[in-house]
Amino acid sequence: KNEVEQSPQNLTAQEGEFITINCSYSVGISALHWLQQHPGGGIVSLFMLSSGKKKHGRLIATINIQEKHSSLHITASHPRDSAVYICAVRRASGSRLTFGEGTQLTVNP
Amino acid sequence: NAGVTQTPKFQVLKTGQSMTLQCAQDMNHNSMYWYRQDPGMGLRLIYYSASEGTTDKGEVPNGYNVSRLNKREFSLRLESAAPSQTSVYFCASVFNTEAFFGQGTRLTVV
Repeated sequence: KNEVEQSPQNLTAQEGEFITINCSYSVGISALHWLQQHPGGGIVSLFMLSSGKKKHGRLIATINIQEKHSSLHITASHPRDSAVYICAVRRASGSRLTFGEGTQLTVNP
Repeated sequence: NAGVTQTPKFQVLKTGQSMTLQCAQDMNHNSMYWYRQDPGMGLRLIYYSASEGTTDKGEVPNGYNVSRLNKREFSLRLESAAPSQTSVYFCASVFNTEAFFGQGTRLTVV
């Protein structure tokens, strides 16, 4: 079993829909990252969370440390949100990141 | 991804050839990493360097070597490329809990 599990693996939505991507992990962490990767592009860090909730524009990320679970929400989704969203955790000891497999999001107009 | 520069962006190698992927960061970070990304799998750690002059193996180090000659640069070398090393490679630089990634290198070994 992977230490970081994401669901769903693939998600197709219509423009305007509210989207949720989930991440569960099984190790102690000091931080959790949500990353975005566009086709053929690099990886961009969206959020870094160690507790609670963060919001940036239409993106909201939450984390529940006790339940070892995080969610990424996109409100009023748009085709330009189509990308792979990756959850990564930084272990409590050390600086190494462990990645989930990613969620491929497609938002249709 | 301002701050992490990775070269080249694309490379095709023949089996047995060697090459070095270059990575540089200008953020004065101690920790740098090399990952590979394959379809259906998350990014996997090849090697990392916690500070200048130190390197450690990650999950998938076989067939690779690294060099951290100074704080700014962390290179990844394939001494004898194999088709199994066809992948997209990412360099990353980490400070505290912020992570920055290079643009990636798409490597094909034929």
